[in-house]
Amino acid sequence: EPEVTQTPSHQVTQMGQEVILRCVPISNHLYFYWYRQILGQKVEFLVSFYNNEISEKSEIFDDQFSVERPDGSNFTLKIRSTKLEDSAMYFCASSEREIMNTEAFFGQGTRLTVV
Amino acid sequence: DQQVKQNSPSLSVQEGRISILNCDYTNSMFDYFLWYKKYPAEGPTFLISISSIKDKNEDGRFTVFLNKSAKHLSLHIVPSQPGDSAVYFCAASVRSNTGKLIFGQGTTLQVKP
Repeated sequence: EPEVTQTPSHQVTQMGQEVILRCVPISNHLYFYWYRQILGQKVEFLVSFYNNEISEKSEIFDDQFSVERPDGSNFTLKIRSTKLEDSAMYFCASSEREIMNTEAFFGQGTRLTVV
Repeated sequence: DQQVKQNSPSLSVQEGRISILNCDYTNSMFDYFLWYKKYPAEGPTFLISISSIKDKNEDGRFTVFLNKSAKHLSLHIVPSQPGDSAVYFCAASVRSNTGKLIFGQGTTLQVKP
């Protein structure tokens, strides 16, 4: 069964460093998302991406965040200068069509720890 | 932002009985609702969804009910199995947006053998 894959599974970084979280969405999917879950809190939307551009972003997704689809398969989330409060599980998701017509498939997540 | 609420942080049921997980929402623009299951160290896994034009959707042991007037939905699992033990998230989406999902806080279901 096709799945969304994320690497690495766990990333530890120093505060102020840049990190890149990588995702390979399901191959025929056109809509891509990043979500995060801070420990003990709800899963929060960060950004959606369609047709090589951001279609929506939350207020969490400020200037330190960026997304890119550098080739036909990868979808990345870059955090430029990490802060302690960026520590969370980051989930990539993809869907074939707009969410109203289908579900989003989630990757297993990357646990980011900022020290 | 409490647009989607799951007021019960946990639920414990006996194997074979019915599990009922509840979810309330405040935004009347939501028109598509989903339930996801999540095991520790894994991403959310889609379970079942319902469009706002329906009031019930069934898939095997899982049934989702939607009461639009009460802005309430529920997930019924019957019969419950120990393998159903996980965190269950309710999520909602608005037709006109990009597919952003708003999640509830989750309910931890424990099914006892």
